[in-house]
Amino acid sequence: KQEVTQIPAALSVPEGENLVLNCSFTDSAIYNLQWFRQDPGKGLTSLLLIQSSQREQTSGRLNASLDKSSGRSTLYIAASQPGDSATYLCAVNNNDMRFGAGTRLTVKP
Amino acid sequence: DAGVIQSPRHEVTEMGQEVTLRCKPISGHNSLFWYRQTMMRGLELLIYFNNNVPIDDSGMPEDRFSAKMPNASFSTLKIQPSEPRDSAVYFCASRQGERNGYTFGSGTRLTVV
Repeated sequence: KQEVTQIPAALSVPEGENLVLNCSFTDSAIYNLQWFRQDPGKGLTSLLLIQSSQREQTSGRLNASLDKSSGRSTLYIAASQPGDSATYLCAVNNNDMRFGAGTRLTVKP
Repeated sequence: DAGVIQSPRHEVTEMGQEVTLRCKPISGHNSLFWYRQTMMRGLELLIYFNNNVPIDDSGMPEDRFSAKMPNASFSTLKIQPSEPRDSAVYFCASRQGERNGYTFGSGTRLTVV
């Protein structure tokens, strides 16, 4: 069964800092990996989808990388802003999608 | 597109009552997933359907839980009888094909008292 781990569980940074969130998974036979954002009491918003054949995807200040062979993905956030404060979830798709526990990010003004 | 639509948004019910959660996937999406989110256990996959057929229900916690997808545009998750430990946020998600991303609904916050 696929297991997904996210490190760190929580992260607090000052505004403007660049940061990296980590995700690891145990079964590398994946179709794709998806990063989501969840605000408190809200649903999940898709940020980036990386197919198994891709190495990275970019959207604005966000860049996600995938190393399928080593079972790792990172989400890089450039020039962080207080509005980036949320929980970030990594989800791995082996036909069904399994989630990590998330990283709770706080960006201080 | 209106996205994945879940109802109700909030449900408060007494222990022992039947609860029915509803989901309308995005039109054209052929896979539908039910998840449960709690602080202790995070997001757990309960069951998923491909082309209206249940594929994997190994995540359904007990026989009190059941899910149906009578057609491509509607699914229900039923809990009977409900218990306080069922209190959680229940999410529905859909996708078109195994290589595409998931779209989530806004969730149903269930409280069983």
